[in-house]
Amino acid sequence: NAGVTQTPKFQVLKTGQSMTLQCAQDMNHNSMYWYRQDPGMGLRLIYYSASEGTTDKGEVPNGYNVSRLNKREFSLRLESAAPSQTSVYFCASSETRGYTFGSGTRLTVV
Amino acid sequence: AQSVTQPDIHITVSEGASLELRCNYSYGATPYLFWYVQSPGQGLQLLLKYFSGDTLVQGIKGFEAEFKRSQSSFNLRKPSVHWSDAAEYFCAVGGAIWDDYKLSFGAGTTVTVRA
Repeated sequence: NAGVTQTPKFQVLKTGQSMTLQCAQDMNHNSMYWYRQDPGMGLRLIYYSASEGTTDKGEVPNGYNVSRLNKREFSLRLESAAPSQTSVYFCASSETRGYTFGSGTRLTVV
Repeated sequence: AQSVTQPDIHITVSEGASLELRCNYSYGATPYLFWYVQSPGQGLQLLLKYFSGDTLVQGIKGFEAEFKRSQSSFNLRKPSVHWSDAAEYFCAVGGAIWDDYKLSFGAGTTVTVRA
């Protein structure tokens, strides 16, 4: 029982490159989320999807796009990476009152 | 808008001593409150959560937290700290509007345990 799986675990990008962070959950949860974690700032919500077919902006959506491909998968795309997007990214899913986090993707933009 | 304040950025405690981490929240309705722990390089692990009922909540690893509505607080406590408790701790608040359970996190408190 994997829970929430994120890929890749580590990535280095050059400024201006694009990439997609993948997230999949096997708990049949309706809601999925993307957070970024930066030192001294806790976790900030980038985008979320309350259910399959819907997505909404969170606190820090600029520079990102998301796709809720199906109920299991929720991807985060950086179209033109910037050094300010260097961070650790966490995907999470929830159903009613249960929240499960992935192990994170550490992204460095140089 | 919901928000969380963790007033202490860093706490150092001796092994065997008690620990209390402060959390204050702002939320317009009945909050759902959580404490998570993160070891270096790891993901977030849920310690405990409060939704309703008894305001003293027991969690894993010997932690407990008390919800005080009048003070908008949800402080985390442990009577006797172990070296393995050295980590970063995050308080989070959320709610339930339809199927939207977004969480807002505090900035975190780093706990150092000295021998």
